[in-house]
Amino acid sequence: DTGVSQDPRHKITKRGQNVTFRCDPISEHNRLYWYRQTLGQGPEFLTYFQNEAQLEKSRLLSDRFSAERPKGSFSTLEIQRTEQGDSAMYLCASSLGVRGQNTEAFFGQGTRLTVV
Amino acid sequence: AQSVTQLGSHVSVSEGALVLLRCNYSSSVPPYLFWYVQYPNQGLQLLLKYTSAATLVKGINGFEAEFKKSETSFHLTKPSAHMSDAAEYFCAVSDRPSSASKIIFGSGTRLSIRP
Repeated sequence: DTGVSQDPRHKITKRGQNVTFRCDPISEHNRLYWYRQTLGQGPEFLTYFQNEAQLEKSRLLSDRFSAERPKGSFSTLEIQRTEQGDSAMYLCASSLGVRGQNTEAFFGQGTRLTVV
Repeated sequence: AQSVTQLGSHVSVSEGALVLLRCNYSSSVPPYLFWYVQYPNQGLQLLLKYTSAATLVKGINGFEAEFKKSETSFHLTKPSAHMSDAAEYFCAVSDRPSSASKIIFGSGTRLSIRP
């Protein structure tokens, strides 16, 4: 297994456009997380899935943001009507959660979004 | 509410010198604490974690951290720096034993190693 994969690695978009990112977790991992990291800051939690169910959403996830994990495998994060403030690195992580415990989470390399 | 404060956004040490990266936490419940490392253009990698067992935690690459409740600190150390240690380091806190669920990260410390 090659680990957590994110696509694209870089995205430049014009303000007001919609963008969609994809995350492919490690194949047997049932939990998937999205984080956002702005320049000079640590990652901020956005949302979390267990299988296909979205269990937690941060207040940072405005109504312009939507995340899905339709078959409990890959996930997409869509940002509608992008704003310059959305420019950031979007990180995906996955882990295996069993019986209330959780293994180490593995992070992808991220998608760097630039809104111009 | 939980939070972490990393003292020093940039630390520079000579190769072979002691590495000390400082982290103080705030938590209303017994915390779970983590250190992550991020190399340029890479994702985050877990270095070590404290989950209420031993207060001295050993991690990968020769790093270790000590949980001090009285000081609300979880500083990261390595006895002898190597050039390959140059990276961004993040301290993080969670109220759960998992390593990534509503983890709150610090703003990071960039570690530079001088030859």
